[in-house]
Amino acid sequence: EVQLVESGGGLVQSGGSLRLSCVASGFTLSTYWMSWVRQAPGKGLEWVANVKQDGSEKYYGDSAKGRFTISRDNAKKSLFLQMNSLRAEDTAVYYCARGRVVVAAPPDYYMDVWGKGTTVTVSS
Amino acid sequence: SYELTQPPSVSVSPGQTASITCSGDKLGGNYAYWYQQKPGQSPVVVIFQDTERPSGIPERFSGSNSGNTATLTISGTQAMDEADYFCQAWDSSTVIFGGGTKLTVL
Repeated sequence: EVQLVESGGGLVQSGGSLRLSCVASGFTLSTYWMSWVRQAPGKGLEWVANVKQDGSEKYYGDSAKGRFTISRDNAKKSLFLQMNSLRAEDTAVYYCARGRVVVAAPPDYYMDVWGKGTTVTVSS
Repeated sequence: SYELTQPPSVSVSPGQTASITCSGDKLGGNYAYWYQQKPGQSPVVVIFQDTERPSGIPERFSGSNSGNTATLTISGTQAMDEADYFCQAWDSSTVIFGGGTKLTVL
């Protein structure tokens, strides 16, 4: 069964740091782009970051630039999100998701498998 | 920045057809994707590349994309389809989500 399991969420003070992890099973992590997406309480989905199969390309949403770092360890079947300088508005459920690149001109991207998420709460 | 606009809510009677729209300047030239999210659950992709259904998604779900508007259509809507629906596009290495539409089946 294809599965993504996130961990590492919790309560942290404003200005603090947190590292989220996501373990993949049921598929070969090294052959897929991966993403982090978050959802604040009662709000919509917000893309956080993407990373290429070998980690050579990384892209970030505006709210993550300069504060968050996405990384991966394919040997450990794991994806990570290092979050620094956390703010109250970073409070959300953070989802790990498997990316699918659509071969087209220009190429396209979506997420076909999602984890259950891990909750991050930043207290001010 | 590129934005996708969805109606906040749509209501439909059981057995009827529900249509949820997603508008964006570049949608005609980009694929649209649709995710369903039920309360307390993770999103699930129900339509990819404008019109394609993943395996396991009922045939009553269909999609279209023309001009600047993508549409998710649910034919013969069932109570189990009540959920939030989010459209998504990809532009300049950025994932964009619409604000979401709450579908109520009543």
